[in-house]
Amino acid sequence: QQPVQSPQAVILREGEDAVINCSSSKALYSVHWYRQKHGEAPVFLMILLKGGEQKGHDKISASFNEKKQQSSLYLTASQLSYSGTYFCGTHNTGSSNTGKLIFGQGTTLQVKP
Amino acid sequence: SQTIHQWPATLVQPVGSPLSLECTVEGTSNPNLYWYRQAAGRGLQLLFYSVGIGQISSEVPQNLSASRPQDRQFILSSKKLLLSDSGFYLCAWKAGFSYNEQFFGPGTRLTVL
Repeated sequence: QQPVQSPQAVILREGEDAVINCSSSKALYSVHWYRQKHGEAPVFLMILLKGGEQKGHDKISASFNEKKQQSSLYLTASQLSYSGTYFCGTHNTGSSNTGKLIFGQGTTLQVKP
Repeated sequence: SQTIHQWPATLVQPVGSPLSLECTVEGTSNPNLYWYRQAAGRGLQLLFYSVGIGQISSEVPQNLSASRPQDRQFILSSKKLLLSDSGFYLCAWKAGFSYNEQFFGPGTRLTVL
């Protein structure tokens, strides 16, 4: 079952904050976040493995609520370089040996000067 | 360090023609390998994955096939292309049995005319 991302698209001014959500109808073991620039391959941002875990680097962080089967990506004080499409990829419990990720439909983020 | 290569980078093929896309990984052994397709403006659809030489799992029934003749080589093929096969094909690898992140190759942009 594909996770659902919201919002589908967001436009920000430089310096503003954004939150992207990822929800699944199935139990999750982990959530991965990727960013894809137009015409390029997705680039790994971070992985969250435990319920309630929060991770971050620089001004991008994420949380994972295992009980609610959802994750959120937080972009603080956005920069022009944050523009792109953000995907969450989810691991269902029990898929560790295959490493299969099911990706959401993506959230397009545009940061304007 | 590990690197992942895909070729060709772009391809324009007529309907009904065969297809062969290649992906190779360097700097690691026994990786899990994945083929994804991304239609224009859409998300990442998992097509095939492999946990070892000769082991292929198909996620979506279609006229594509995959093979893994060597540990770090993954090939996507078709005997007869359809218009709907157009898209951005991405290969990814992950270190063995774990919840580690996937790393994507640069992709092949396929246009079927």
